[in-house]
This record gives sequence, structure tokens and C-alpha cells, in this order.
Amino acid sequence: GENVEQHPSTLSVQEGDSAVIKCTYSDSASNYFPWYKQELGKRPQLIIDIRSNVGEKKDQRIAVTLNKTAKHFSLHITETQPEDSAVYFCAAIPLGRRALTFGSGTRLQVQP
Amino acid sequence: GAGVSQSPRYKVAKRGQDVALRCDPISGHVSLFWYQQALGQGPEFLTYFQNEAQLDKSGLPSDRFFAERPEGSVSTLKIQRTQQEDSAVYLCASSLASGTGGNTEAFFGQGTRLTVV
Repeated sequence: GENVEQHPSTLSVQEGDSAVIKCTYSDSASNYFPWYKQELGKRPQLIIDIRSNVGEKKDQRIAVTLNKTAKHFSLHITETQPEDSAVYFCAAIPLGRRALTFGSGTRLQVQP
Repeated sequence: GAGVSQSPRYKVAKRGQDVALRCDPISGHVSLFWYQQALGQGPEFLTYFQNEAQLDKSGLPSDRFFAERPEGSVSTLKIQRTQQEDSAVYLCASSLASGTGGNTEAFFGQGTRLTVV
């Protein structure tokens, strides 16, 4: 089955700096890669996703890049703000499957 | 509300007790998923329904775990003879997608935090 690895496990940045979180996946058939943000005690919420036919996608301060050859994808947050502090999870779904396989999460702390 | 609703939010069970966790998906969503999230970890897949059909239960950790969605809407996850290692947050998610291909966004509920003492 699919295996998703995520790094780093914790990340601390100063407000205004950029943050980058990286994930690798094992199943070359995976074709959908969402990123979820989970604040303490709250539900995971989708912040951005990318499909395998696209190399990069951007939404305001958030961008995701995908390298299918290397089987890795990354989340980039620019101009970080304290409210960006949360745990971020990457995930992948192989073609023909329905369930998400999640990474282990990255706790992002943005210092004011 | 329009979101995925789970109840109860918190459940404390004595070891050996049976528990039932409820999920109300977004109206009209075909797909429903259950995940288990241990403290400090990512959600792990338990089982998947397409309407009332349970199409994948490969993630259920033992035969003490049972899930149903009899009318293709509300789902219940039941854990029999709970053990301490069952302590976790149980998340339910639903999506509009059906069939193969064309993954769409999964919307999560707030989860049920189960503590087995």
C-alpha cells in the first residue's frame, strides 16, 4: 500500500519568514495530494491540493509543488503569520482508491 | 449545520466496555470514511463506505471494530470490549465522490476523543 513520509516533524519560524514542509510517497499510482491544517482540538481542514497532472499550484500565500519522478511534494507558506501555527498533514491517494494515506504531521510554530 | 457532525465529542470508557460512535455526514455525500488518530500522529484509515456498502475495511485493527451505514447516510463505528490501546480520536470524513477516479475533497468532522481507562 501507499506510504507517506513527512519532514520536518516540528518547524519554528519568525513571523514573515517562509516555511517549507516536504513529503515523499511510495506508490507511483498516487494521483491526488491534499494538504490539511489541523489546529489544536479541531478538525483537519483542506488548505490546498494538487493532482498528478500539475507540477505546481498556488493560492495566495500557500503553494504546493509536485515532482512525480522523485515522488515528492512540498508545501510552501510565505509571509507566515501567527495564525498559521498549527499541525500540517500531507496525504496521498492512489488511483482507484478512495482513502487518504496521511503523513505523520508537521507542527508549525510562527513566532511573533 | 452543513458540516460533518460527530457525537459524542468525548467518551470515557472502562476497559472491556462497548462503545458506539456516531457520524452524520454532509447531506448527499456518497463516500464516508472513518480514521483513527493517535496523539501526535496523522489520521490512519479504518474503513470506507460508498452509500450503504462497506467497500474497504482493511484498516480495522481487529474484529472488535465494526462499522455500519445502513441507510447510506449516518454511520456508526462500534468498538467492543475496549482496550487501552483503543484510546485515540476517531475522525469521520465524507466526500461527494463516487466510483473510481476523480478524487474530491474530504470534509472532516471534529472527531470523538475516546479514552479507555
